[in-house]
Amino acid sequence: RKEVEQDPGPFNVPEGATVAFNCTYSNSASQSFFWYRQDCRKEPKLLMSVYSSGNEDGRFTAQLNRASQYISLLIRDSKLSDSATYLCVVRPSGGYQKVTFGIGTKLQVIP
Amino acid sequence: DAGVTQSPTHLIKTRGQQVTLRCSPKSGHDTVSWYQQALGQGPQFIFQYYEEEERQRGNFPDRFSGHQFPNYSSELNVNALLLGDSALYLCASSLGGKGLPRETQYFGPGTRLLVL
Repeated sequence: RKEVEQDPGPFNVPEGATVAFNCTYSNSASQSFFWYRQDCRKEPKLLMSVYSSGNEDGRFTAQLNRASQYISLLIRDSKLSDSATYLCVVRPSGGYQKVTFGIGTKLQVIP
Repeated sequence: DAGVTQSPTHLIKTRGQQVTLRCSPKSGHDTVSWYQQALGQGPQFIFQYYEEEERQRGNFPDRFSGHQFPNYSSELNVNALLLGDSALYLCASSLGGKGLPRETQYFGPGTRLLVL
């Protein structure tokens, strides 16, 4: 089983739609979780950290379910500019900053 | 505030050659991590440097080596290049105290390496 698993998509959604991505992780000792966004042929950029209590940043909501070992990202009112690949990132406890990336989920928002 | 910079942006090499990639971390950062991202994949952790020492290493052969300089900049060296080494090589910088990992990593634009 892969350390971090994501559905690679693509997810094709119309503008204004709500879309959700899940990411599962295998190491129950994992401590920190993040969502990064990567535009085509660009570097990954931090979208948001994921906290146990869940967190929201504008149209984006991230949640963590430790019992089922997954994190989720919800995007409301999708914009064309949201089209990108969303990478799930997991860091185990005790490690310095050795993070594991998922393969990424590609989102295409359609006019 | 200068972000993470990498050079060169693109590179073409042939099998068996050696390559050196360079990274300057974000101002104030002291830790550099290197990743390899093949087409259609997520970034794979190569290694991390802190205080001029390799602190952690991913599942990469010894052909991949690195160095960190006193000014925190870093180099990634790959010897005996293989076709499969063709990828985007990303450098990420962060602030990392001993035993107290800081969480956010900032990525540079990457170096695209093509091995023919």
